[in-house]
Amino acid sequence: AIQLTQSPSSLSASVRDRVTITCRASQGISSALAWYQQKPGKAPKLLIYDASSLESGVPSRFSGSGSGTDFTLTISSLQPEDFATYYCQQFNIYPFTFGPGTKVDIK
Amino acid sequence: QVQLVESGGGVVQPGRSLRLSCAASGFTFNIYGMHWVRQVPGKGLEWVAVISYDGSNKYYGDSVKGRFTISRDNSKNTLSLQMNSLRADDTAVYYCAKAISKGFGEFPFDNWGQGTLVTVSS
Repeated sequence: AIQLTQSPSSLSASVRDRVTITCRASQGISSALAWYQQKPGKAPKLLIYDASSLESGVPSRFSGSGSGTDFTLTISSLQPEDFATYYCQQFNIYPFTFGPGTKVDIK
Repeated sequence: QVQLVESGGGVVQPGRSLRLSCAASGFTFNIYGMHWVRQVPGKGLEWVAVISYDGSNKYYGDSVKGRFTISRDNSKNTLSLQMNSLRADDTAVYYCAKAISKGFGEFPFDNWGQGTLVTVSS
């Protein structure tokens, strides 16, 4: 199975900060990568798919980039509602796999 | 709007079986692949299984292969997960999720249910 690693595992940031999370795949997955946001007690929410496509209704401060094995999720100006855990997911081949998550909390 | 509602969770003894259901509404169920994903409370997400829109293709995660069976009833807009030979490490919140694109293929998930907790304990 394809392994995904994320860095950092957690970070503390302030409102209006620029935040970058990286995801690395153990083998090339083209652009078959998605990013999800999850808040405590809630189901994950799709933010980005196909590495850089913004899901409908997701604020434009979220963006994704990368292809092959290295990917990035960027939040251009962190808002209070963005404090959450973020997961990357590869959907290039079954079994689908998720990264371990990056928790973003308030500095 | 899309709605996915899981049910069937609860406390079950190791070695026993449990069947989860996911009632879908607000979209044309029979043209989308559907997935199960689980999450140990406080931990990360683990993909469990997928079934194609017509039920003809199914794939499973290694940890559940041979024990879990995914199925769907397109006449009732319902997705199911039959879980046999349950183990303590199957304890998790189980989510059903809808593929973002219709038809057959590998797609991410644009809608999730609220989850149902399965606890395997004696």
